[in-house]
Amino acid sequence: DSGVTQTPKHLITATGQRVTLRCSPRSGDLSVYWYQQSLDQGLQFLIQYYNGEERAKGNILERFSAQQFPDLHSELNLSSLELGDSALYFCASSFFDRPSGLNIQYFGAGTRLSVL
Amino acid sequence: GEDVEQSLFLSVREGDSSVINCTYTDSSSTYLYWYKQEPGAGLQLLTYIFSNMDMKQDQRLTVLLNKKDKHLSLRIADTQTGDSAIYFCAQPPGRRALTFGSGTRLQVQP
Repeated sequence: DSGVTQTPKHLITATGQRVTLRCSPRSGDLSVYWYQQSLDQGLQFLIQYYNGEERAKGNILERFSAQQFPDLHSELNLSSLELGDSALYFCASSFFDRPSGLNIQYFGAGTRLSVL
Repeated sequence: GEDVEQSLFLSVREGDSSVINCTYTDSSSTYLYWYKQEPGAGLQLLTYIFSNMDMKQDQRLTVLLNKKDKHLSLRIADTQTGDSAIYFCAQPPGRRALTFGSGTRLQVQP
């Protein structure tokens, strides 16, 4: 168990709909990352939050947004869903050790999104 | 660019050694990582290597880093059926989020 909790485990929805994926990081971790894993694109970084603020953006579509709340949990919102959004969405949390530069990311089990 | 490349598939017999290779383009990462993904599961950190090291050994795992060629490898000694999974190498270019390779699916034949 990585200590990172993602809910729900599975989501089935229709095109055009909006869904929210939730992530609770490991206790004490300030950074949360969202990744998308699909067959054609592989594992791609979407967005990172650090202590409530957006820190970095990857290949995140404008239809997608995220936020990190004061209790450090994060939500990824996916709207106007398309068939191609079907994928596994992972959340990871990390603690960055500044002196050594070591930044280990711990991954949740993922949310499998199926858009029909 | 920030590309990380791996071969897609490796099949070995139980008890043999497995070697999974990875090449990367960005040399700024302080650490490089190997993650394992079992079916239906998230990614589990296997090991990592500091960029100024050439080799790191951790029980059955040996990581080799060739900085000149930007080549990283993971050797699993005495491979077991429980090692069957997808293995990803990853680097955080410029301390950003991880860039992953495509993953190598390791199949261990009994």
